Amino acid sequence: KAGVTQTPRYLIKTRGQQVTLSCSPISGHRSVSWYQQTPGQGLQFLFEYFSETQRNKGNFPGRFSGRQFSNSRSEMNVSTLELGDSALYLCASSSPGSTEAFFGQGTRLTVV
Amino acid sequence: GNSVTQMEGPVTLSEEAFLTINCTYTATGYPSLFWYVQYPGEGLQLLLKATKADDKGSNKGFEATYRKETTSFHLEKGSVQVSDSAVYFCALGLYDKVIFGPGTSLSVIP
Repeated sequence: KAGVTQTPRYLIKTRGQQVTLSCSPISGHRSVSWYQQTPGQGLQFLFEYFSETQRNKGNFPGRFSGRQFSNSRSEMNVSTLELGDSALYLCASSSPGSTEAFFGQGTRLTVV
Repeated sequence: GNSVTQMEGPVTLSEEAFLTINCTYTATGYPSLFWYVQYPGEGLQLLLKATKADDKGSNKGFEATYRKETTSFHLEKGSVQVSDSAVYFCALGLYDKVIFGPGTSLSVIP
């Protein structure tokens, strides 16, 4: 069974630009969560989607958004990038009724 | 609210030393408990889990016991190896949410 796939693995963007990251969950998993990981702040929850609906949301500004498609693939978008958005963005999927999360390898975003 | 507290480290040990990473939780309900490990440059991987009180999760020589009376889920390993160097996250899962602790960085030196 294929694991969680995140693309791209690495990304360099300029301040003010926008970026879209992609996550393909494990087959059969309908829940997809996104996290931001930085050395200073640790692992912070962004949002969770379940069956195309945002079910939970963390404490991030509106520049961070996401969506989920009918095949459970998810994207997250960050608009008007700031230097502080440089981080490792992790996606995790879970099967229905389970809180066990399976993580992708992450997308390393660098904003210059 | 629900939360997870764990020792933040960094922890540095010599090879073959005994490891304990403390984790305590607060939860309104009966959570599942997890330990995840993150090796350099990678995402998090599930190391072990326990779903009810007194359950012991184990994997790769690591163990943790779900202690409801002390609301703890401490991670232990009898003899660490250099390859165990990583960041370890304690987490609880409850009502479709997962809450992670801040992570504990472990370095094992030869």
